[in-house]
Amino acid sequence: QQKVQQSPESLIVPEGGMASLNCTSSDRNVDYFWWYRQHSGKSPKMLMSIFSNGEKEEGRFTVHLNKASLHTSLHIRDSQPSDSALYLCAASKGGGRALIFGTGTTVSVSP
Amino acid sequence: NAGVIQTPRHKVTGKGQEATLWCEPISGHSAVFWYRQTIVQGLEFLTYFRNQAPIDDSGMPKERFSAQMPNQSHSTLKIQSTQPQDSAVYLCASSFTGANYEQYFGPGTRLTVL
Repeated sequence: QQKVQQSPESLIVPEGGMASLNCTSSDRNVDYFWWYRQHSGKSPKMLMSIFSNGEKEEGRFTVHLNKASLHTSLHIRDSQPSDSALYLCAASKGGGRALIFGTGTTVSVSP
Repeated sequence: NAGVIQTPRHKVTGKGQEATLWCEPISGHSAVFWYRQTIVQGLEFLTYFRNQAPIDDSGMPKERFSAQMPNQSHSTLKIQSTQPQDSAVYLCASSFTGANYEQYFGPGTRLTVL
């Protein structure tokens, strides 16, 4: 069973719209959460990280973390065609350790 | 900064042959991670090194797979007697040592076992 669950599996968002992605860990030992973005044919690149309860915003991207429920979410506002990609959530047991990835959410932004 | 370098980018082997994959981490990074990615299993952790020492190999198949880091500038992943189920993109990542540092991924080596 996948220890990091992501939903939805795929998402179609109109250009300029909001995309909301969810991620939950079933492993209670993890405490660091990461969001990576992987464009087709490319390697994953870190988008955002969050380690404390609450919210973090960087440009059009906002992440939330609830450590009690081990749930994190990523929100993309004003979605652009270049945001079309596979979004991977990862968790780790502390920093500087192995990342446990979910299976990802494929986001397609339609012009 | 050239980023993480992986060679070869593509490798095709016959069943039962050996494959050696190379990774050169970003200069100054002291942690090196190996992952593999398939459509079915997604992105899976294999093993990692910190300051060249093996730290965690809990994701490595116990038979046929081995990894080394003989110096700070490169790591190798060796797969003996390759099987079709080993076909995947093998990704190497590196980072500084410490809690908040992100892992930077290389372009990957696509291994195809016929």
